[in-house]
Amino acid sequence: DAGVTQSPTHLIKTRGQHVTLRCSPISGHKSVSWYQQVLGQGPQFIFQYYEKEERGRGNFPDRFSARQFPNYSSELNVNALLLGDSALYLCASSLGISGVETLTNTGELFFGEGSRLTVL
Amino acid sequence: GENVEQHPSTLSVQEGDSAVIKCTYSDSASNYFPWYKQELGKRPQLIIDIRSNVGEKKDQRIAVTLNKTAKHFSLHITETQPEDSAVYFCAATGGTYKYIFGTGTRLKVLA
Repeated sequence: DAGVTQSPTHLIKTRGQHVTLRCSPISGHKSVSWYQQVLGQGPQFIFQYYEKEERGRGNFPDRFSARQFPNYSSELNVNALLLGDSALYLCASSLGISGVETLTNTGELFFGEGSRLTVL
Repeated sequence: GENVEQHPSTLSVQEGDSAVIKCTYSDSASNYFPWYKQELGKRPQLIIDIRSNVGEKKDQRIAVTLNKTAKHFSLHITETQPEDSAVYFCAATGGTYKYIFGTGTRLKVLA
């Protein structure tokens, strides 16, 4: 089975530009979360989508937006890029809402390899 | 706000020795505590987790302990091997939708 796939793996942008990052969850997973990992730090929560609806948003500016499609894949969009947006953007999928245990869902997050964004 | 503190930030041990990484969380509603291992340039991968109704869990050379009263949880790796070298992250989540991650511990196992 394919794991979580992300594209592109690496990209370089300049300040003020826009970027779109894409994620395909593990087959059967309905939830996608996005995390930002700055070098030397732990991942920081950006968004979670479940069943195509936003279920949570972290402390990120409105320049960050996301959506989930009917096939449960997701896009993260960042407008007006700043130097500080340089980071590894991780997508993670889970069967249900991450962290919430149900009879059929452990709540475990499965991460993709990430998209490394460099803003110059 | 919600916070997870992780110590130490770096840890060097001799091969065969044990390694312990400690985390403290602030949100008393947290009930799930996973540990992730991240090798250089790779994705974080779950290595062990524990829920709040359990005090200890072990999987071969890896164990996790949880003290809910003190809001502490720890990762224990015994008989360390060079392939254990990586960055380890603890996380906590409390029935909401997000994980709060620690800042990571870079473990080096010296041969």
